[in-house]
Amino acid sequence: IAGITQAPTSQILAAGRRMTLRCTQDMRHNAMYWYRQDLGLGLRLIHYSNTAGTTGKGEVPDGYSVSRANTDDFPLTLASAVPSQTSVYFCASSERGTGELFFGEGSRLTVL
Amino acid sequence: GQNIDQPTEMTATEGAIVQINCTYQTSGFNGLFWYQQHAGEAPTFLSYNVLDGLEEKGRFSSFLSRSKGYSYLLLKELQMKDSASYLCAVRDGDYKLSFGAGTTVTVRA
Repeated sequence: IAGITQAPTSQILAAGRRMTLRCTQDMRHNAMYWYRQDLGLGLRLIHYSNTAGTTGKGEVPDGYSVSRANTDDFPLTLASAVPSQTSVYFCASSERGTGELFFGEGSRLTVL
Repeated sequence: GQNIDQPTEMTATEGAIVQINCTYQTSGFNGLFWYQQHAGEAPTFLSYNVLDGLEEKGRFSSFLSRSKGYSYLLLKELQMKDSASYLCAVRDGDYKLSFGAGTTVTVRA
């Protein structure tokens, strides 16, 4: 089934550890996004990529980095996790020029 | 940047109609979107407006007034499965979507 796959589904992490959330899509979409969702705050854009080889900062990029080596993969890395990064992380993709985002099932991250 | 406001919660009875309002202030506008998100699940696309007026899609309709920075999502003939969060989102000139905090709709029998 075509779509977006995120891994891990859930993770508990000690503060200060490095963590990479993986995201892979098989729809050949140009654009990919990482959002975090927190109660009362909604979805906030962390980083995005309009095409392979390019990335950009969203609303809340600090403490996170991304890479886009190819069309399909868009990993999100927390270099040194802090408790405020406890959240549900959603990866999404779209055809550039449309606003119809296709979301992965989310990765629930808890930083202790 | 974007400033998007929508009510936090709404409750309605099965079979009724509910209207979810969304107001926005934006530095660049390239379309308004509505997404549905059931508890514990990923958001899914519902509707898209880029020009003023009403877009109808089955039981769901969405309206946009660009001059007023205003949109609404209308849910008709409510069903229990419509209990979910509804997210208003604005696309900027760089094709990035910014989301409101969402409106949780509870449908009661």
